[in-house]
Amino acid sequence: DGGITQSPKYLFRKEGQNVTLSCEQNLNHDAMYWYRQDPGQGLRLIYYSQIVNDFQKGDIAEGYSVSREKKESFPLTVTSAQKNPTAFYLCASSDRGSPSNYGYTFGSGTRLTVV
Amino acid sequence: GENVEQHPSTLSVQEGDSAVIKCTYSDSASNYFPWYKQELGKRPQLIIDIRSNVGEKKDQRIAVTLNKTAKHFSLHITETQPEDSAVYFCAARGIMDSNYQLIWGAGTKLIIKP
Repeated sequence: DGGITQSPKYLFRKEGQNVTLSCEQNLNHDAMYWYRQDPGQGLRLIYYSQIVNDFQKGDIAEGYSVSREKKESFPLTVTSAQKNPTAFYLCASSDRGSPSNYGYTFGSGTRLTVV
Repeated sequence: GENVEQHPSTLSVQEGDSAVIKCTYSDSASNYFPWYKQELGKRPQLIIDIRSNVGEKKDQRIAVTLNKTAKHFSLHITETQPEDSAVYFCAARGIMDSNYQLIWGAGTKLIIKP
């Protein structure tokens, strides 16, 4: 069953703590993306990666970090520098080399709450 | 780079009536326009898409139209049902930092009144 898996579904972070959100895909997609969604708001791009060992900042990268050591995996770390991290985090992937399929597949999301 | 504007931000329609959501884009080179539906607390899911060489596409009760000259595209939902209540996002495939990716509209909250 091909898809994109995010874990955990719920995550609680204490003040000053770094936490890492997992995103794994078995779709053989080259590109992966991280979005942040605040309640009632749209999708804001944090980081994206078009290829292994390469990634670019999105619109709201401050306080976040990523790595892309494997094609299947694109973990997001929310650092203590992110002062307001409470949000719904969505990971997505796409097959950028396929003209017949430009759409994104999304994971089920991680809801992060600061306690 | 590409910019996508989506209207309205909230749309309330009577069950059984039609709903129309509109998006405009800025980059005439954009060639792919998907629509995603996001139910409360869930992931966005692709419901329909259209490419720049096509003017209209239908799938049962939903349809998308594209006007390349005016650079806008619209989602049409007919005979709305309670399960159509959700947030709908449009997107356009454009270039950001020399990479193709989807540029998103701000979303429309569709409310179906019984």
